[in-house]
Amino acid sequence: AQKVTQAQTEISVVEKEDVTLDCVYETRDTTYYLFWYKQPPSGELVFLIRRNSFDEQNEISGRYSWNFQKSTSSFNFTITASQVVDSAVYFCALSFNSGNTPLVFGKGTRLSVIA
Amino acid sequence: KAGVTQTPRYLIKTRGQQVTLSCSPISGHRSVSWYQQTPGQGLQFLFEYFSETQRNKGNFPGRFSGRQFSNSRSEMNVSTLELGDSALYLCASSSDRPPDTQYFGPGTRLTVL
Repeated sequence: AQKVTQAQTEISVVEKEDVTLDCVYETRDTTYYLFWYKQPPSGELVFLIRRNSFDEQNEISGRYSWNFQKSTSSFNFTITASQVVDSAVYFCALSFNSGNTPLVFGKGTRLSVIA
Repeated sequence: KAGVTQTPRYLIKTRGQQVTLSCSPISGHRSVSWYQQTPGQGLQFLFEYFSETQRNKGNFPGRFSGRQFSNSRSEMNVSTLELGDSALYLCASSSDRPPDTQYFGPGTRLTVL
């Protein structure tokens, strides 16, 4: 069975601080995909990144970076120099294929960035 | 390209009633998935449709059903509403050309009184 654990329920940081959101996953599949989504108060899930199980390269996109480590089954997300607009709930998700198979979500981490 | 649209955005119903939610996928996307989000259970997969056929189904009672039309638009129906059905219902579409990503709509917030 697939499972995603986001142990941090809520995190609060002061603007400009760096923050890392943890994600640990479980799967028996050798091919799988990992995702991060952002859910602002409006409710829509906004896609941030997709990673497949064969690509362990870390990725950076502006202030966002992701650290994928198969050895520890983790896919952590770091926001550098956080801003108030980063306040949202962040979800890590897993699927054994991409696009057309169900996403298994973690419980989410609520990030509050205080000015 | 327009994103995924869902209507209505908000609904209030009473127990025992039924409800129909609508989802229009991104143009060219043929796969539509539905998820239920509640504070207690989090995000849970309901079902997925592709080419008017249900291809995957989550662990929900038969009161939850859906369908997809030839233009890929999808509807989900919940019959005999219960208080526990109060949730945010999210629709996601994907092109079904792997690797791909599910893109979500703004959701329909259903309140059952």
